[in-house]
Amino acid sequence: KNEVEQSPQNLTAQEGEFITINCSYSVGISALHWLQQHPGGGIVSLFMLSSGKKKHGRLIATINIQEKHSSLHITASHPRDSAVYICAVRKGGSEKLVFGKGTKLTVNP
Amino acid sequence: ETGVTQSPTHLIKTRGQQVTLRCSSQSGHNTVSWYQQALGQGPQFIFQYYREEENGRGNFPPRFSGLQFPNYSSELNVNALELDDSALYLCASSLPSLHTSTDTQYFGPGTRLTVL
Repeated sequence: KNEVEQSPQNLTAQEGEFITINCSYSVGISALHWLQQHPGGGIVSLFMLSSGKKKHGRLIATINIQEKHSSLHITASHPRDSAVYICAVRKGGSEKLVFGKGTKLTVNP
Repeated sequence: ETGVTQSPTHLIKTRGQQVTLRCSSQSGHNTVSWYQQALGQGPQFIFQYYREEENGRGNFPPRFSGLQFPNYSSELNVNALELDDSALYLCASSLPSLHTSTDTQYFGPGTRLTVL
């Protein structure tokens, strides 16, 4: 079993819909990252969380340390949000980032 | 644009050959991490360099090695290439604070390696 699990694996939405992507992890962590990867490979860091909630524009990320769960929400989704969203955790006391397999989001006009 | 660059963008090699991939960090970042991403998978941590010293390593064999230079640019070397080494190789630079948990990583665009 992977230490970081994401769901769903694939997600298709209509423009304007509210999107939720989930991430569960099974190890102690010092931080959790949400990343966005566009076709071609480039990865952009969206959020880094160690507790609570962060908001940036239409993106909201939350983390529940007790439940070992994080969610990434996209409000008023747009076709340009189409990408793979990856959850990654930094294991406590380690330099290593452990990545989920990603959620492929497609937003149709 | 993250300010992190990688070269080359694409590379084709044959089994048994050796390859060197390069990464230039964002200005001032003294930490660089390398990742391997197979098709359809999340990235896997290869190793990290901090101020020219290896500072953590994932589950990769010794034929994966690296260097970090005084200007904090970095190289990933892979010897005796195998077919399964075909992947996107990503580097990410960061400038950790006193507490590792607060660093943000800036990723380069990646080098796509194909081993035939």
